[in-house]
Amino acid sequence: EVQLVESGGGLVQPGRSLKLSCAASGFTFSNYYMAWVRQAPKKGLEWVATISTSGSRTYYPDSVKGRFTISRDNAKSSLYLQMNSLKSEDTATYYCARAILKLGHFDYWGQGVMVTVSS
Amino acid sequence: NTVMTQSPTSMFISVGDRVTMNCKASQNVGTNVDWYQQKTGQSPKLLIYGASNRYTGVPDRFTGSGSGTDFTLTISNMQAEDLAVYYCLQYNYNPTFGGGTKLELK
Repeated sequence: EVQLVESGGGLVQPGRSLKLSCAASGFTFSNYYMAWVRQAPKKGLEWVATISTSGSRTYYPDSVKGRFTISRDNAKSSLYLQMNSLKSEDTATYYCARAILKLGHFDYWGQGVMVTVSS
Repeated sequence: NTVMTQSPTSMFISVGDRVTMNCKASQNVGTNVDWYQQKTGQSPKLLIYGASNRYTGVPDRFTGSGSGTDFTLTISNMQAEDLAVYYCLQYNYNPTFGGGTKLELK
C-alpha cells in the first residue's frame, strides 16, 4: 500500500526557517517525480515544488522560488522541503504528493502537515 | 502563469442530479488537465487525468472532457458521497489549480 507521511510542521515566526519531511513507502520511490502542494486555511490548492526522480531537476512557482528548496533521499525514500524566509502567507497545510508525470497526475497524497507562520 | 478559472464556485444539488462544472484556462493547455476531488478534512484525490481519462477505481459516473482552454467535469447521477470540492489542474506549464467548485446538498 502506498503511504506518504509528512512531518515537521508547526508554528514558526516570520523570517525563520522550517524543514518538512515526507516518508514514502509501498512503492519504488526513486522511480517517481515527487511534489509538494499546499492549501491555506479555507482556501484552494497551490503547487509548491516538484523534484525529478534523481533530484537533479527542481521546479518552483515564483511565489516560493529562492526561498523554498525541495530535495530527496532515494536511499531513505524520503522527500524534503526546506522553507526559508517564511512569510505569513506561507501558512498552510502542506501535502506531499507522488507525480505520475513530471508536473501532473498527483496520484497519491499524504495526510498533510500544518505550518503556521506567525509572531 | 496560466490561470485556471472554475465555475461555478458552488452548486446546490440533489442526489441523482447530473452535475456539470467548468474550468477555463487563460491559454491553450492542450489536454494537460487533471481533476481532483477533496472531501472535507481529507487530502485531494485524483479523479481524471489528461482531461478525459478516469483514474483507477473512479466510478464511471465521473466524466472529463475538453481541450485547449475549456474543460468540463460531469457527474451523472450524483451520489451523497460525491459531496466535495473539485479542483482542476493544468500541467502544460508550471502547474496551476483552479479555485474549486464546491458541491453542497439542497
